[in-house]
Amino acid sequence: EPEVTQTPSHQVTQMGQEVILRCVPISNHLYFYWYRQILGQKVEFLVSFYNNEISEKSEIFDDQFSVERPDGSNFTLKIRSTKLEDSAMYFCASSKDRDQPQHFGDGTRLSIL
Amino acid sequence: DQQVKQNSPSLSVQEGRISILNCDYTNSMFDYFLWYKKYPAEGPTFLISISSIKDKNEDGRFTVFLNKSAKHLSLHIVPSQPGDSAVYFCAASRFGGANNLFFGTGTRLTVIP
Repeated sequence: EPEVTQTPSHQVTQMGQEVILRCVPISNHLYFYWYRQILGQKVEFLVSFYNNEISEKSEIFDDQFSVERPDGSNFTLKIRSTKLEDSAMYFCASSKDRDQPQHFGDGTRLSIL
Repeated sequence: DQQVKQNSPSLSVQEGRISILNCDYTNSMFDYFLWYKKYPAEGPTFLISISSIKDKNEDGRFTVFLNKSAKHLSLHIVPSQPGDSAVYFCAASRFGGANNLFFGTGTRLTVIP
């Protein structure tokens, strides 16, 4: 069964550094999403992406964050000037259409030191 | 953000019996609801969904019930199996937007052999 893949599974970065989290969505899916889950908290929506542009973003997704689909398969989340509070599990998801279920990857655990 | 609530952090059920997981929401604009299952170190796995035009959706051992007037949904698992032991998340979204999901805090289900 097709699945969403995320790399790396764990990323350790010094505070202030930039980090790029990578995702390969399911190949025939058109909508892409990033979520995060801080330890002990809910899974929170960050951003959705369709037709090579951001469809919607939460208030968490400020100028520190950006997303890109650099080619036909990858979908990336860039976090500039990382802060301690950016430490979380970051999940990528994709869906075939807007009203279809989202399928999630296994996440990247981001640890900011 | 308390738009989706799962008030029971944990539930224990004997193998073969019914598991009932509950979820409440406050936003009357939500019209699409999903249940996800999550094992440790994995991403959420889609289980079953329901749109607001229905009050029941069934898929094998899993049935989701929606009570719009009470803003309540439940997931029934019959019969429960030890492999069902996981954290279950309820999620909701609004059609017409980018379908970003609002998650509950999860219920940890333990099925006792």
